[in-house]
Amino acid sequence: ETGVTQSPTHLIKTRGQQVTLRCSSQSGHNTVSWYQQALGQGPQFIFQYYREEENGRGNFPPRFSGLQFPNYSSELNVNALELDDSALYLCASSLKGMNTEAFFGQGTRLTVV
Amino acid sequence: DQQVKQNSPSLSVQEGRISILNCDYTNSMFDYFLWYKKYPAEGPTFLISISSIKDKNEDGRFTVFLNKSAKHLSLHIVPSQPGDSAVYFCAASYYGSGNTGKLIFGQGTTLQVKP
Repeated sequence: ETGVTQSPTHLIKTRGQQVTLRCSSQSGHNTVSWYQQALGQGPQFIFQYYREEENGRGNFPPRFSGLQFPNYSSELNVNALELDDSALYLCASSLKGMNTEAFFGQGTRLTVV
Repeated sequence: DQQVKQNSPSLSVQEGRISILNCDYTNSMFDYFLWYKKYPAEGPTFLISISSIKDKNEDGRFTVFLNKSAKHLSLHIVPSQPGDSAVYFCAASYYGSGNTGKLIFGQGTTLQVKP
């Protein structure tokens, strides 16, 4: 059983640039969710993907977008980066429609300068 | 609107004693609750969960208690060990009414277990 993996682990970008973060979900899981964790805060839900379609979205602007691929892996894209986008981005995989635990990757630390 | 709150930013206990971490929620739709542990530079690790149809769930040293009428849950760690030192997050979710089981997290409580 493979766990959730994210890449890269760290990233530094300049304000206004675009970034793509990647996630491989846990074997057998069909749903991927992305969370943003600012310093000193709990993770905040960005959006969720199921069957390659967005299946719920948190309070994040449209410049945050995503993709899910047939193998259930996923990408998070952020356009027009702002300084406040600096955070830990977490990917979590789970099974849709079931109240079960979500398993998280180690996260990508994004710094916008 | 903070639907899940952990009002204690930090907690310090002696090794071998009980650690009690608390969490309050406001949304009565929540029907599944989870606790995650997070070490620096790692993602959250699932610890234990509880469905709203139960009031207690136990897994080894970890027990979660749910009081639905008070909208309160707690995590008990007995006995506490130095390796338990981490940030603990409470999370809640529900399916239905357009909600897709997304997790709503509290702000976290930093637990320090002293040898």
